[in-house]
Amino acid sequence: DVKVTQSSRYLVKRTGEKVFLECVQDMDHENMFWYRQDPGLGLRLIYFSYDVKMKEKGDIPEGYSVSREKKERFSLILESASTNQTSMYLCASSLWGQGYGYTFGSGTRLTVV
Amino acid sequence: AQTVTQSQPEMSVQEAETVTLSCTYDTSESNYYLFWYKQPPSRQMILVIRQEAYKQQNATENRFSVNFQKAAKSFSLKISDSQLGDTAMYFCAFISGGGSQGNLIFGKGTKLSVKP
Repeated sequence: DVKVTQSSRYLVKRTGEKVFLECVQDMDHENMFWYRQDPGLGLRLIYFSYDVKMKEKGDIPEGYSVSREKKERFSLILESASTNQTSMYLCASSLWGQGYGYTFGSGTRLTVV
Repeated sequence: AQTVTQSQPEMSVQEAETVTLSCTYDTSESNYYLFWYKQPPSRQMILVIRQEAYKQQNATENRFSVNFQKAAKSFSLKISDSQLGDTAMYFCAFISGGGSQGNLIFGKGTKLSVKP
C-alpha cells in the first residue's frame, strides 16, 4: 500500500526552538507539499517542491523553510518556533500532472509552548 | 484568483439517510479537476471522488456521487445510505488543468456528523 509517512504524530516544542518535521513517501512521486491546517481556515499551503533540491513558496511561507535533498523526503523547518505556529501540519505527495490528486500523511500536531 | 467555497461549516444526518454537501468554485479556466477529500478523526486525508471538468458524466464511487454543474461552477457531494464511519471533515478541492503544474486549492471544509 502506498504511503506518505510523517515522522511524528504529536510534538511539543518550546518557543525559539528549531523544529524539523519529516515526511517520506514511497511512491516515487515528483511533487511534495506541506500544508498547515487550522480550524475554520482549512488547509493552507506552506511550501512545495516539484523536484529534488527544488522548492517554491506557497501561501504562508513566513517563519518556515524546507529541504528536499532526496526525492522521497521533504522536510519542513521552523527556524525559531513561535506559539502562533501551533497547528496541524500535513504532508502530501503527487505524481507530476494535475489530475491525480494528492496522497496525504496522517499529520503532525505541533504544540509550541 | 481561483477559490473554493464550502458554505456549510457543519451538517448532520441520520444513519441510512442521504446527505448532500455543497461546493462552489471560481475559475476562468475550462480544463481542471475537482476532488472531494474526507478527513475522519484519525486525521488521515482520504480521496473520496474525482471529477474531470471535460467529462459531463458525474463521477460515482459506491455510495458517493457528485453533481457537477460546470456552468454554475458547482460540485456537490451526495452520500447515500450514510454510515457512522462517514463522520468526518469533508474538503472540496480544485486544481487547474493547464500546462503549468498547479497546486490543489481547498475549501474550508464541512464537518459531517452521522447520528445513530
